[in-house]
Amino acid sequence: GQQVMQIPQYQHVQEGEDFTTYCNSSTTLSNIQWYKQRPGGHPVFLIQLVKSGEVKKQKRLTFQFGEAKKNSSLHITATQTTDVGTYFCAGRSGGTSYGKLTFGQGTILTVHP
Amino acid sequence: DVKVTQSSRYLVKRTGEKVFLECVQDMDHENMFWYRQDPGLGLRLIYFSYDVKMKEKGDIPEGYSVSREKKERFSLILESASTNQTSMYLCASSAYDTGRNIQYFGAGTRLSVL
Repeated sequence: GQQVMQIPQYQHVQEGEDFTTYCNSSTTLSNIQWYKQRPGGHPVFLIQLVKSGEVKKQKRLTFQFGEAKKNSSLHITATQTTDVGTYFCAGRSGGTSYGKLTFGQGTILTVHP
Repeated sequence: DVKVTQSSRYLVKRTGEKVFLECVQDMDHENMFWYRQDPGLGLRLIYFSYDVKMKEKGDIPEGYSVSREKKERFSLILESASTNQTSMYLCASSAYDTGRNIQYFGAGTRLSVL
């Protein structure tokens, strides 16, 4: 079945440093979504990427979808303590899948003030 | 705002007990999902449902069953709870497959099986 691998599992940064998490799928994806889970909270949708090579920005967050639609990345510039949490990528395969997503293992981000 | 409500935040059960986890969504979503979340393993799909009385196995269905008698409610059943089912359980819902099927999650149920 489809597998989505995400690295690193953990990342500790000083406030103000940049952060990147990477996501790789074993199969070509129709789209990829990113979610954030704050400590003690539940995953919350951030963004969806659909097109090959697509780049989207949300303030300090930059999301990329690879040309082959098998990988993606999330980059945070100048991290803040409010960025702490677990970031998940979630891939959707083509065809009728009833909205089923395959989640990566997540990257736990800790930001030291 | 979409609201997905899980009946319990914390649950403690004994080995061998039958356990029901309930999930209700208020956005008339067709799709509903049950995941378990374990450290280092991310979110793993147990079962999902795309319509009333319709269900499909996810990646780790063993030891679980589900029920969807009404569109807004999706129940996860542990027929005979075991200690390896101690985990965080998350319910999610999404609209019909339109290509932008954002999943909305409940707050989660942390289940401990003793």
